[in-house]
Amino acid sequence: QQQVKQSPQSLIVQKGGISIINCAYENTAFDYFPWYQQFPGKGPALLIAIRPDVSEKKEGRFTISFNKSAKQFSLHIMDSQPGDSATYFCAASRYRAGTALIFGKGTTLSVSS
Amino acid sequence: DTAVSQTPKYLVTQMGNDKSIKCEQNLGHDTMYWYKQDSKKFLKIMFSYNNKELIINETVPNRFSPKSPDKAHLNLHINSLELGDSAVYFCASSPRPKDRGLPYGYTFGSGTRLTVV
Repeated sequence: QQQVKQSPQSLIVQKGGISIINCAYENTAFDYFPWYQQFPGKGPALLIAIRPDVSEKKEGRFTISFNKSAKQFSLHIMDSQPGDSATYFCAASRYRAGTALIFGKGTTLSVSS
Repeated sequence: DTAVSQTPKYLVTQMGNDKSIKCEQNLGHDTMYWYKQDSKKFLKIMFSYNNKELIINETVPNRFSPKSPDKAHLNLHINSLELGDSAVYFCASSPRPKDRGLPYGYTFGSGTRLTVV
């Protein structure tokens, strides 16, 4: 398995600020890049995903930026709220049935009020 | 309506015992997975089944054996439990990409916290 590298490991942001989490991948065969959000005691939940045919995708306060040449993608959370405090995972895989998501190691986000 | 349900939610057992975790999905997805989340929250694929056929079998000890009686169920049986097996185990499912009416993405269960003492 190729590794997906995620940074930072933890992040503290003021309410209303912008949270930015970065990921880098190695396998150029990957063509599906989702972000998952996990609250304590719960399973990861799909937040937003992107494919390499676009460089940016926005859903509400959440935006993925994708740089194919650099093999990097990032999650931006605008107007961060205390309810956004959770662990965020980036992942990568082939966009086909049965392939496994390879996850980054996660970022613990704390939004202070 | 729980989309991916796992039982039990908590499992405490002694070393050497055999235990099973059950998973069911009602989403009509073709593929199901088992992931292990360690104490540092790292999520690692263990197995995947597509329409009851084993697709991925990562370097997992053969004490772990998945079984898929139909495409809505994927169970995990663990023999001779060891201390290092303590973790949270997640079941997940996904549709085929571009399946009409189904957005692509994994749906995870809420996890089974296994503690081996």
